[in-house]
Amino acid sequence: AQSVAQPEDQVNVAEGNPLTVKCTYSVSGNPYLFWYVQYPNRGLQFLLKYITGDNLVKGSYGFEAEFNKSQTSFHLKKPSALVSDSALYFCAILMDSNYQLIWGAGTKLIIKP
Amino acid sequence: NAGVTQTPKFRILKIGQSMTLQCAQDMNHNYMYWYRQDPGMGLKLIYYSVGAGITDKGEVPNGYNVSRSTTEDFPLRLELAAPSQTSVYFCASSSNRVGEQFFGPGTRLTVL
Repeated sequence: AQSVAQPEDQVNVAEGNPLTVKCTYSVSGNPYLFWYVQYPNRGLQFLLKYITGDNLVKGSYGFEAEFNKSQTSFHLKKPSALVSDSALYFCAILMDSNYQLIWGAGTKLIIKP
Repeated sequence: NAGVTQTPKFRILKIGQSMTLQCAQDMNHNYMYWYRQDPGMGLKLIYYSVGAGITDKGEVPNGYNVSRSTTEDFPLRLELAAPSQTSVYFCASSSNRVGEQFFGPGTRLTVL
């Protein structure tokens, strides 16, 4: 069965420092992996996805993610954090047997000035 | 483009009452989804649709029903509301199975 895990409930980073939000997955076939962001009292917004091809995926707002098949990870990264990056981040995996996205529990990212 | 719109934004129901959450999209997307988001949890898929007239159950369908008579609209019906249905409900749409999902602003539902 497919699953996705976000091992950190919260990540704290100083503004200007690099940030990483972790995601690991379990899937029997080829994974389709996604990152979404949720700002307070808002719906979710798409950041990036990995379907196939290059392991480094670039997305919106300067974010990128690295697909690592051997470590079954898809960590979200940004070289220099902004206070406005503070939000709730979700990793999700698409099941290859149907149309259902499986979501992680979310990681709260706090960027301190 | 308005994107994905949801009404109402907030609602309080009494146990046993029923209501319909409205969702509409103007992007001509075939795929539409209903999720619920509970505190500290990721999203759970309630129902989805791959086109007008086609719907299917997601992970947590019990207590809910949907219909898809047009490409644009995908209403979610709650019958006999229960406190366990207190949650934030999100509607989303996408152009294909692996495409970006566009989310509405959500409906915060409380069942007392």
